[in-house]
Parts: sequence; C-alpha cells; structure tokens
Amino acid sequence: DGGITQSPKYLFRKEGQNVTLSCEQNLNHDAMYWYRQDPGQGLRLIYYSQIVNDFQKGDIAEGYSVSREKKESFPLTVTSAQKNPTAFYLCATQGQGRDTGELFFGEGSRLTVL
Amino acid sequence: GQNIDQPTEMTATEGAIVQINCTYQTSGFNGLFWYQQHAGEAPTFLSYNVLDGLEEKGRFSSFLSRSKGYSYLLLKELQMKDSASYLCAVMDSNYQLIWGAGTKLIIKP
Repeated sequence: DGGITQSPKYLFRKEGQNVTLSCEQNLNHDAMYWYRQDPGQGLRLIYYSQIVNDFQKGDIAEGYSVSREKKESFPLTVTSAQKNPTAFYLCATQGQGRDTGELFFGEGSRLTVL
Repeated sequence: GQNIDQPTEMTATEGAIVQINCTYQTSGFNGLFWYQQHAGEAPTFLSYNVLDGLEEKGRFSSFLSRSKGYSYLLLKELQMKDSASYLCAVMDSNYQLIWGAGTKLIIKP
C-alpha cells in the first residue's frame, strides 16, 4: 500500500541524548515536511525538502537536523540542543505542485524526554 | 504577523449540524485547507478552497470569503466518529502553510 511510515511511534529520551525519527514514503512525492505539534498550538514547520539533497529550515529549526539522501526518506534528528523536545512530530509529503497539493501525513512520533 | 483563529472547543449533538469558523490574516493567500485529526493520529485532508463560495463533499462543506478573511467548515448529520480536532490552514504568498491551533469537536449522544 502507498503511504508514509514514521517510526518509532513512541520514543523516550534522556536529556542530552540525540534521537532520530524515521520517515519513509512510497508515494513518489518530491516534497517532504517535518512538523511539530504541541497542545493548544498549530502545527509548526521544522524543516522541509522539495528535492533530494536539498532542504530548508522552517520556523523552528533550531536544535533539529535533517537529511534527504533519497527521495523516499527524510529522517529528523532531535539534538541535545533542542531545549524542549517533548512533542508530537509529524512527517508529511506533498505530491502535486506546491500551490495546490494537499499534504499527506504519517501517523506521527511522540517523543518524551525524561 | 500571520494569524489563524479558530475556536478552541465546540460541543454538538449526534445528528445535528455544526459550523466551525476560521478567520485568517496572512501575507498573501493561495488557498485554505481543512484537515481532521483524531486524537493521537495523523491529520487527514477534508477540503481545499481557493475561490469564494461553498464546496460540498458529502456531509462536509467548506465555505470561503477571501475579502473577509473567513472560512467555515459545516458538518451535517453528525456522527460520534466526527469527534476530532479540525485544523484550518492557509497557504501564504510563499506557498507555506500557516496552521490554526485546531478546534476540538465533542459529539454527545
């Protein structure tokens, strides 16, 4: 089935540790996005990539890093520099032109820092 | 700054009709999206409006007025499974999506 797979679904981290969240898609979509969702707030864009080997910072990129070595994969690393990393992280893809294409979301990864 | 406003929470009765409003102030406009998100799950696409007027899709309809910076999502014949958060998002002049905080809809029997 075509879709977006995020893993792990739940992750616990100790302070000072880096963690990497996986996002894999088989929709053949060019654009991929990482969002953070906190209670009472709208989705906030962390990073996005329109094409392989290229990515751009979003509104809250500090403390995060990404790579886009393959079209299918867009992993997000939450580094120890991110001061408040506990959140729900959503990966999304967009297949059509950026001006009309809806976003397709993965099921999310919930990160808790202990 | 850019801003999307939606009510935080609404309650409605099974079988009834509910209207969820969204007002926006953004740098340019390239369309408005509505998404549904059940607790702990991914958002799923409901509708897209770029021109003024009403778009109907089954029990759900979405309306847009660009001059007023206003949209609403209308849900008819409410079912218990419609209990979810409804997210409004506007695509600005840079084709970036600006998201509202979402409206949590509670359906009572």
